[in-house]
Amino acid sequence: GIQVEQSPPDLILQEGANSTLRCNFSDSVNNLQWFHQNPWGQLINLFYIPSGTKQNGRLSATTVATERYSLLYISSSQTTDSGVYFCAAFKTSYDKVIFGPGTSLSVIP
Amino acid sequence: SAVISQKPSRDICQRGTSLTIQCQVDSQVTMMFWYRQQPGQSLTLIATANQGSEATYESGFVIDKFPISRPNLTFSTLTVSNMSPEDSSIYLCSVPSAGPNYGYTFGSGTRLTVV
Repeated sequence: GIQVEQSPPDLILQEGANSTLRCNFSDSVNNLQWFHQNPWGQLINLFYIPSGTKQNGRLSATTVATERYSLLYISSSQTTDSGVYFCAAFKTSYDKVIFGPGTSLSVIP
Repeated sequence: SAVISQKPSRDICQRGTSLTIQCQVDSQVTMMFWYRQQPGQSLTLIATANQGSEATYESGFVIDKFPISRPNLTFSTLTVSNMSPEDSSIYLCSVPSAGPNYGYTFGSGTRLTVV
């Protein structure tokens, strides 16, 4: 079955710092998505990114499908970026989604 | 993308009772998915719910404990039955965002505490 790994498991940043989160996934994955779970438990879609690079404000993501990894970049971090970041992989749009273990991010003032 | 309304947002329940969680989607979707997130853990799929057929449960989850209804293409419920403190989790429903190649959208979650 699909395997998803994330690193680092925990990260503490000073406000304003940049960070890179990594997601490794097994072959047979054709789709990848990044989510942010805020402290209230809500899961927010950041990027659907099966390949290539996307940017949205201070966040960007790159997936290199041939090498089976994806990176999430957070620039100029803010305290509101705190929470858990999950990558999630699936084969097709109607397959079950396999979540990685998450990266817990704390941004301190 | 699809918008999901999930209720309740949180509840505190007595052990031995049951809680029904509802998800309403603003568009018709063939498949809906139910997930559990235990404290400090990642999300795990409970079951896939198709309209007009029995839900398909993942290993470790059974219909008697987590019965699911899917009466139409915009609505589903998940019941957590005969609850124990181990059922304290966040429960989330999910649908494909907008057809193929757009990922998934999740409901806002139900934070359940069993005492």
